[in-house]
Amino acid sequence: GDSVTQMEGPVTLSEEAFLTINCTYTATGYPSLFWYVQYPGEGLQLLLKATKADDKGSNKGFEATYRKETTSFHLEKGSVQVSDSAVYFCALSRYSYGNNRLAFGKGNQVVVIP
Amino acid sequence: SAVISQKPSRDICQRGTSLTIQCQVDSQVTMMFWYRQQPGQSLTLIATANQGSEATYESGFVIDKFPISRPNLTFSTLTVSNMSPEDSSIYLCSVVEEGRGSEQYFGPGTRLTVT
Repeated sequence: GDSVTQMEGPVTLSEEAFLTINCTYTATGYPSLFWYVQYPGEGLQLLLKATKADDKGSNKGFEATYRKETTSFHLEKGSVQVSDSAVYFCALSRYSYGNNRLAFGKGNQVVVIP
Repeated sequence: SAVISQKPSRDICQRGTSLTIQCQVDSQVTMMFWYRQQPGQSLTLIATANQGSEATYESGFVIDKFPISRPNLTFSTLTVSNMSPEDSSIYLCSVVEEGRGSEQYFGPGTRLTVT
């Protein structure tokens, strides 16, 4: 079935470092892909999305490109800040029974050290 | 995007009791969903709340344990019945707005602890 796989383990990096979080997916058809962010003690916020191959989603300095040939949607940011410390979830939207239902990866904790 | 609120924001309950969580949206939405996020884990879809009909449950979730209502296009409830400590989780509702494709927006969540 449809699924999302994120790289294992938390990510710890220094302020102004380059961030990459890997995400690959397995799906039939042409899913939409999303990155959600969960700041400490808060709910999920939609960070960015892409709905078709080669689309690039971007927001708040984060980017991710929908790569159908490698079934990937890696999240990148060129210079992270302490305020980017959060958990990041990759997700895909599956169309089933007339609904668009989200399947999430396990999430990656990102800790940015000053 | 729609503004979503949930009540209560958190609760501590005794095993064997039930808790009803409310999700209120400030505009009419086409779809509403309920998710569970167990401690340190990702989100798992419990069910799709269908307006005016029975919810559609995911594998592993049943109506007797998680009854859901959706009486109109802006409101839904999830009840966690006969609770056990394993039900300690954050419960989140999400919505899809008309004309916003497949984007889902989430409420702030309800943090439930069962003792």
